[in-house]
Amino acid sequence: GAGVSQSPSNKVTEKGKDVELRCDPISGHTALYWYRQSLGQGLEFLIYFQGNSAPDKSGLPSDRFSAERTGGSVSTLTIQRTQQEDSAVYLCASSFDRGDNEQFFGPGTRLTVL
Amino acid sequence: QKEVEQDPGPLSVPEGAIVSLNCTYSNSAFQYFMWYRQYSRKGPELLMYTYSSGNKEDGRFTAQVDKSSKYISLFIRDSQPSDSATYLCAIGKAAGNKLTFGGGTRVLVKP
Repeated sequence: GAGVSQSPSNKVTEKGKDVELRCDPISGHTALYWYRQSLGQGLEFLIYFQGNSAPDKSGLPSDRFSAERTGGSVSTLTIQRTQQEDSAVYLCASSFDRGDNEQFFGPGTRLTVL
Repeated sequence: QKEVEQDPGPLSVPEGAIVSLNCTYSNSAFQYFMWYRQYSRKGPELLMYTYSSGNKEDGRFTAQVDKSSKYISLFIRDSQPSDSATYLCAIGKAAGNKLTFGGGTRVLVKP
């Protein structure tokens, strides 16, 4: 079946611009996660959505970062006023439900801020 | 000190050898243990998942967890050039919660 999909696969933007990254989780998965992978920092948790519960935003690095999940499915990660240190690969993962910790990752969006 | 420590490598082995990877963690609250494989410019792919001490085997892969020592391992038998990738350990405190990742070990299997 279809896995987690993300778009765009690559995004180049200028410093100060806003960007939106999209994630389509595996159908039927109720939990959705965003992670960031950058050189020297490894893979870092950003935000987690589970059903209709309030999201866990504890990993968001600043208030320039926000995320939404509409209809319990598609999620959008928005970065406002991008900075060069935001350059990284942004990965989305989904899992079946709260009792399952097997997270399946998408291919990621490679963000480059010039 | 990072919550999860993993040697970055690179680890170079000849084809057919056993690859041995490991991670250590500091917090005994971690209960779920995973290994992911990541090829260059691809997303991580789940290889092994376990939540108890002991061994779990799946084909050429064996995952080992020692909660008393806070140490996890992944063994790859009969390694192939296609196993060349970065291997990430990932640990969770509770089901359906965020994962904390090791920095990854780059593995190169030479034909």
